[in-house]
Amino acid sequence: EDQVTQSPEALRLQEGESSSLNCSYTVSGLRGLFWYRQDPGKGPEFLFTLYSAGEEKEKERLKATLTKKESFLHITAPKPEDSATYLCAVQAGANNLFFGTGTRLTVIP
Amino acid sequence: ETGVTQSPTHLIKTRGQQVTLRCSSQSGHNTVSWYQQALGQGPQFIFQYYREEENGRGNFPPRFSGLQFPNYSSELNVNALELDDSALYLCASRAGTGRNTGELFFGEGSRLTVL
Repeated sequence: EDQVTQSPEALRLQEGESSSLNCSYTVSGLRGLFWYRQDPGKGPEFLFTLYSAGEEKEKERLKATLTKKESFLHITAPKPEDSATYLCAVQAGANNLFFGTGTRLTVIP
Repeated sequence: ETGVTQSPTHLIKTRGQQVTLRCSSQSGHNTVSWYQQALGQGPQFIFQYYREEENGRGNFPPRFSGLQFPNYSSELNVNALELDDSALYLCASRAGTGRNTGELFFGEGSRLTVL
């Protein structure tokens, strides 16, 4: 059965304090792993797609990496505007994404 | 470029009623999917439509049904509402050609409360 587990559930950081979010997954035949950002009351916003172990993607202060069993979202020197819930998803089947429950990040000025 | 728009943004229904939620996909996108997001949870896949045909469905009962129209807009219908149907319903669109990159464009959702 496909499974995505994200940790921690919530994370509070001081502005400038770097950290990582974890997404571990179990899926038969990974077709892609995806990171999204969701602000309160909004729909998720696409960040990255990773397809194979060893792949890395970067965007501003965020860097996503992938191994055979997990993905990390590294946040370098975060700012308060990085506060959001970060969702990890795997492609399960041809047409749908299977999401984790997310990590709620709060960056304190 | 117009993004994904959903209506209504909020609505309240009572148990046993029926609801219709609407979605206009992003310009040029012919694939629309619907997700249910309960409070504190990640989105759960309901179904997907491509060129007016359902081509994927998650673990939801038949009382969840949908339509896609020739202009690629879509509706989600839920019959016989239950308390557990209270959630944020998200519509997402993408272009249906080529590799599925998982890059979905989500609307802001319709918040349904069932009393």
